[in-house]
Amino acid sequence: DVVLTQTPSILSAPIGQSVSISCRSSQSLLDSDGNTYLYWFLQRPGQSPQRLIYLVSNLGSGVPNRFSGSGSGTDFTLKISGVEAEDLGVYYCMQTTHAPYTFGAGTKLELK
Amino acid sequence: EVQLQQSGAELGKPGTSVKLSCKVSDYNIRDTYMHWVNQRPGKGLEWIGRIDPTNGNTIYAEKFKSKATLTADTSSNTAYMQLSQLKSDDTAVYFCAIVPDWFAYWGQGTLVTVSS
Repeated sequence: DVVLTQTPSILSAPIGQSVSISCRSSQSLLDSDGNTYLYWFLQRPGQSPQRLIYLVSNLGSGVPNRFSGSGSGTDFTLKISGVEAEDLGVYYCMQTTHAPYTFGAGTKLELK
Repeated sequence: EVQLQQSGAELGKPGTSVKLSCKVSDYNIRDTYMHWVNQRPGKGLEWIGRIDPTNGNTIYAEKFKSKATLTADTSSNTAYMQLSQLKSDDTAVYFCAIVPDWFAYWGQGTLVTVSS
């Protein structure tokens, strides 16, 4: 199974600071169809996951443009350019290139 | 508006089974796969498996192959997941999700508590 390693596991930031989360895969997520099926989700306390980014760098509809995704192959990054209070929660990367699909262990974003 | 409505919380005794449901509104489940994900208390998200409601084809994560059974009823636009031989570490919130708009749509989750 593909292992997704997220770092850091906890991130403390004041409002307005820019932060990045890394997601490294144990194998390439480039699919034979040319797509890289790497997503980013935010889960706020007590809520269902909310999809932020799909196909590495595509911003989901309604997602603020302070979120951005980048990377290729096995290394991926989610960046938040100016953290806001509503961004607090746990961030997960997920891959659907290789079955079984897998999630990273999560990165908790806390207010500093 | 696409919505996924999951069934209510379940309390199951060890060794028994529970069956969870996920009813989809405003989207035909024949046009998507239905995925199931769990989250144990205080832990991360874990992919369980997915079903193609059109033909019933399923893929499971290895650890759930003998635990979860996914089915779907296209006439009622509802997917189901049965969890068998419940153990304490099956206590978790279980989510359903569909693929349209790149996993934009999730159910609210069903809490399953296993206790004697």
